[in-house]
Parts: sequence; structure tokens; C-alpha cells
Amino acid sequence: AQSVAQPEDQVNVAEGNPLTVKCTYSVSGNPYLFWYVQYPNRGLQFLLKYITGDNLVKGSYGFEAEFNKSQTSFHLKKPSALVSDSALYFCAVFTGGGNKLTFGTGTQLKVEL
Amino acid sequence: DTAVSQTPKYLVTQMGNDKSIKCEQNLGHDTMYWYKQDSKKFLKIMFSYNNKELIINETVPNRFSPKSPDKAHLNLHINSLELGDSAVYFCASSHGGREPQHFGDGTRLSIL
Repeated sequence: AQSVAQPEDQVNVAEGNPLTVKCTYSVSGNPYLFWYVQYPNRGLQFLLKYITGDNLVKGSYGFEAEFNKSQTSFHLKKPSALVSDSALYFCAVFTGGGNKLTFGTGTQLKVEL
Repeated sequence: DTAVSQTPKYLVTQMGNDKSIKCEQNLGHDTMYWYKQDSKKFLKIMFSYNNKELIINETVPNRFSPKSPDKAHLNLHINSLELGDSAVYFCASSHGGREPQHFGDGTRLSIL
């Protein structure tokens, strides 16, 4: 079965510091990987995706993600966190066989002053 | 302009009732989805339609019945509501499965 794992339920970061939200995947074949963000009482918003090509993917709001095939990881990063980045972040993998997105369990990011 | 809109935003009802949630997208997408997000924020796909044809039907009780009258609309009807149906239901749309999905803001269903 194809899946993604987000090992941290919560990540706390001070404003201005770099942040990393971790994601590992397990798929057969080439992975199509996504990051989404969910603010309170809102739907998920697309941040970025990896299909093929450069391992460093740039997305919305200054976020980027690094695809690492050997470590089967797709960690989300931002050089300097903002309080407004505080939200729930989901990693997801597209499974061609099932033609669907499978989401991780989510990581709550808290950025403090 | 709201890209993916769901109605109602909140739904509070009693066990055993039947209710519907409506979803509309104005993005010209050909694929629409229903997701369920539980109280722990786990997100699970329920159904997916491509060009009005059902392509994903996860292990969902048959009390849940989706209906897509056209490519821009995907509704969800739920019969005989149970306590365990309490959740947030999200509609989403995309250009096929590999493209980013656009989500509505959810319908918060509470069963009394």
C-alpha cells in the first residue's frame, strides 16, 4: 500500500528561525508528492508539489520542499518562520493505481514570538 | 469569487435524519471529491467523480450517496445519520488526479 508518514504531531519554532516539517513516503514507482496547509475552520490549500525534475521544489508563501529519493523523504522547509505560518500541514501522495491522494496524519506547526 | 463552495457551512441534526450537502466549483475542473475529516483531523477520501462518472468509492457505508448532476456540482446525501457521522466534510476539485486539488471550507456536521 502506498502511504505517507508525518512523524511529528506538532512542531514548535520561534519566529525568524528556520522550520522543517517532516514527511516520508512509501510508494511503488515514481511518487507524486504534495504539501497542503489548513488554517482553522478553512479547507486545505495547496502549497507545492513534486512530480519530477529538481529535488528542491519552491511553493507558495516562501515554502519549499526537498525530495530525497534515497531517504524516501519530502520535508517541508522555510528559511524564516512567521507567526502567521502557524497552521496544520499535510503531506500527501498521489497513488496512480487508486487514482487518489493519500494524506498523512498532519503536523501542527506553532510559530511563537 | 469562491472557487469551491459548499452549503451549508454548519449542519446540526438528530440521529436518524437524512441530510444533503451541496458543492459547486467554478474552476472548470473535471474531477471532484468528497473527503471526511474526523475530530483528530485525519483526512480520508470518500468519493471521486471525473466528468460526472464515479471513479473512487472508498469503503463508505451505503447510507452515503454522492450525485454529480454536471461537472461543476457534486452533492452528498446521507441517510439515517449516526453519531459517528459527526465530522467535517470537504469538497474538492482538480484537473484530474495528479493536479493540485482546491478545497471548499467544509461542512461541519454535528449529530445530536
